[in-house]
Amino acid sequence: AQSVTQLGSHVSVSEGALVLLRCNYSSSVPPYLFWYVQYPNQGLQLLLKYTTGATLVKGINGFEAEFKKSETSFHLTKPSAHMSDAAEYFCAVSEGLNQAGTALIFGKGTTLSVSS
Amino acid sequence: ETGVTQTPRHLVMGMTNKKSLKCEQHLGHNAMYWYKQSAKKPLELMFVYSLEERVENNSVPSRFSPECPNSSHLFLHLHTLQPEDSALYLCASSQDTLGEYHGYTFGSGTRLTVV
Repeated sequence: AQSVTQLGSHVSVSEGALVLLRCNYSSSVPPYLFWYVQYPNQGLQLLLKYTTGATLVKGINGFEAEFKKSETSFHLTKPSAHMSDAAEYFCAVSEGLNQAGTALIFGKGTTLSVSS
Repeated sequence: ETGVTQTPRHLVMGMTNKKSLKCEQHLGHNAMYWYKQSAKKPLELMFVYSLEERVENNSVPSRFSPECPNSSHLFLHLHTLQPEDSALYLCASSQDTLGEYHGYTFGSGTRLTVV
């Protein structure tokens, strides 16, 4: 079974600083990888995804992530944090189901705090 | 209305009550999911429906009963719940073709409190 590990349950940065949220996965096959963001009292919103092709993927709100197969990592970065980036971030990997289709397996999440 | 809509947004129920959560998607997706989100725990996959057929039941207690009457609607029927079932229940949908994956669209969730 696939699994996802997010290092650091809480990350704090200053406004304008680099954001780095770490994600490592375990998968026996080439994975599909995702980052989601969750604002308070809301559902999860897709930030970006890696399926095939270019290993550096760009998402919404200035975020990007790089798939590194040798390190089994998919870390999320943003060059300059904004106050509105404060939220919880989830890394996920897709897993095939026994009968049909796929499902997403999520990490525990990382809460990002941004101070002025 | 577009996206994934969940009702109610908040629900408080006693342990002997019966209630249902509703999810509706207007995206033309063919797969729908129920997740449970508890504090300090990863999102837990509960049920998966693909083309209105249940394809996964992740060892969920029988006090949770899903229903998918058509590709746009998904229900979670609740009865004789326990306080530890209090959580945010998230519904999601996707256009899911085996071997290809586009990610989910999530609803805003139902915050359930069992008293």
